Amino acid sequence: AQSVSQHNHHVILSEAASLELGCNYSYGGTVNLFWYVQYPGQHLQLLLKYFSGDPLVKGIKGFEAEFIKSKFSFNLRKPSVQWSDTAEYFCAVTPYNAGNMLTFGGGTRLMVKP
Amino acid sequence: DAGVTQSPTHLIKTRGQQVTLRCSPISGHKSVSWYQQVLGQGPQFIFQYYEKEERGRGNFPDRFSARQFPNYSSELNVNALLLGDSALYLCASSSDYDRGNHYGYTFGSGTRLTVV
Repeated sequence: AQSVSQHNHHVILSEAASLELGCNYSYGGTVNLFWYVQYPGQHLQLLLKYFSGDPLVKGIKGFEAEFIKSKFSFNLRKPSVQWSDTAEYFCAVTPYNAGNMLTFGGGTRLMVKP
Repeated sequence: DAGVTQSPTHLIKTRGQQVTLRCSPISGHKSVSWYQQVLGQGPQFIFQYYEKEERGRGNFPDRFSARQFPNYSSELNVNALLLGDSALYLCASSSDYDRGNHYGYTFGSGTRLTVV
């Protein structure tokens, strides 16, 4: 069975700092990869997704993620964070041809100080 | 457009009791999935239904069951509740079911279940 590791459990940044959240997965085959975000008091929302093609994926709100197949990684980045980016971020993976069954990482709680 | 709606929002039950959680997907969405999110952890897949058929089941005991109705709404049932069943139960809908690519869910706000 596949698994997802998010090594940073808590991250604190000042506004305008750059962000990179790590995500590694364990699965040897083709995968679909996702980042979801949960703002305080809100439901999980899809930030971006990768199926195939260009390994650099752009999502909403200025976020992007890079798929590095050789490293089994799908790190999330943003050049300059804002206070409104304070949220919990979840990486998720599903093997291609496995339907809609997502395996989530444990999440990274980001706090951006104004 | 209404999003994914779940009811109730909060629930307190006693060990050994049974609970039913409800979910209405986004209009036009035919696939509903259920996830359990224990405090401090990521969501864990429980079930997926598409066109009223079970299409996937996670590693949960038989005390957990679900069904999908003709209007695509869904219920999750948990019998013989244990303290460890305390969690946020999330429902997610998607427009289709594709054995190839997964196009992403729309999640509801969840039902917070507390077992005492």
